[in-house]
Amino acid sequence: AQRVTQPEKLLSVFKGAPVELKCNYSYSGSPELFWYVQYSRQRLQLLLRHISRESIKGFTADLNKGETSFHLKKPFAQEEDSAMYYCALVVGWGKFQFGAGTQVVVTP
Amino acid sequence: DTGVSQDPRHKITKRGQNVTFRCDPISEHNRLYWYRQTLGQGPEFLTYFQNEAQLEKSRLLSDRFSAERPKGSFSTLEIQRTEQGDSAMYLCASSLGSGERGELFFGEGSRLTVL
Repeated sequence: AQRVTQPEKLLSVFKGAPVELKCNYSYSGSPELFWYVQYSRQRLQLLLRHISRESIKGFTADLNKGETSFHLKKPFAQEEDSAMYYCALVVGWGKFQFGAGTQVVVTP
Repeated sequence: DTGVSQDPRHKITKRGQNVTFRCDPISEHNRLYWYRQTLGQGPEFLTYFQNEAQLEKSRLLSDRFSAERPKGSFSTLEIQRTEQGDSAMYLCASSLGSGERGELFFGEGSRLTVL
């Protein structure tokens, strides 16, 4: 079965502390994974995708096929990182399977 | 271009009524998607179009739901005989691409409340 699991509904961190959002997936094919973010009162938008191996706003994510994980990390959290984060797996043409999301709250 | 736009942003209706949502994608995007999001969950795929062709529909899309994209531009999602379980945020997204790697550009959503 295709599944994306984000085990943490809420992650509260202090400004300047590292933050890691967990994402585990279940997929029989070769996975394509994304992280989407929704800031307060804004629309859902792409943060990063695994194939580009890029760092966006200081965030990185590494696909670990052995552990079927795609955790999102940032070494030093900023207040503007407070948002809802969704891990998403491509499961077919035009079809993304989203996780339930993790709310990140960065406190000063 | 201001991105994907959806109308109305909020709709409150009584059970049994029909509702229609409209989505205007980014103009050059050939793919258009509808997702549904309920409280505490991530978006769930409903259906998608490539140009005017509806290529896939989720099992979530019962017979009461119908989506169209008549000229390959804007799309409508109609829900007939609404039920309280239809209350959700309906998200439209568009993308440009012939492969699966296209980034989805989302609209702000249309929130439906069925009383």
